[in-house]
Amino acid sequence: DSGVTQTPKHLITATGQRVTLRCSPRSGDLSVYWYQQSLDQGLQFLIQYYNGEERAKGNILERFSAQQFPDLHSELNLSSLELGDSALYFCASSARGTGGSETQYFGPGTRLLVL
Amino acid sequence: GENVEQHPSTLSVQEGDSAVIKCTYSDSASNYFPWYKQELGKRPQLIIDIRSNVGEKKDQRIAVTLNKTAKHFSLHITETQPEDSAVYFCAASFSGGYNKLIFGAGTRLAVHP
Repeated sequence: DSGVTQTPKHLITATGQRVTLRCSPRSGDLSVYWYQQSLDQGLQFLIQYYNGEERAKGNILERFSAQQFPDLHSELNLSSLELGDSALYFCASSARGTGGSETQYFGPGTRLLVL
Repeated sequence: GENVEQHPSTLSVQEGDSAVIKCTYSDSASNYFPWYKQELGKRPQLIIDIRSNVGEKKDQRIAVTLNKTAKHFSLHITETQPEDSAVYFCAASFSGGYNKLIFGAGTRLAVHP
């Protein structure tokens, strides 16, 4: 157990819908990262938050957004869902998220299926 | 651009043999190189990492080597066991992205008894 929690574990929804994925980082960690893992794409970095502020962005679609709250939990919002958004979504956390050499600990993931 | 290439994509070995997975990265300013093991449907788990001020690091049967000049790093697993079967991902941090990690495409390792 990494100490990072994610809910829900599984999500089934229809195209065009909107969902929210939730992540709680390890105790004391200030940075949260979101990754998408599709069958043919490996682990793709989406976005990083540090202490409530966006710090780095990857190939995140405009239909996706995220935020980190004062209690440091983070939510990833996916809207206007398409079949291709079906994937495993992982959250990871690290202590500070600066300096480029911190260990990231992954949560168990949320499996999203868009029908 | 930001890129990490990983080879091979699949690797099949006999129990007790060694396995080697290689990665190359594009950003010469990268300074952190973790390796993750992922079992089917589970989270990626860190198995070993190396920072740019070190050329080699070992932890029991697992070792990682780093060649900064060539921008290569490799994972070596000795005396493989069936429980080593999983997908292994290399990653590199990128200087412009705080702690952002760019992952390789993964290597599916199968260890046969």
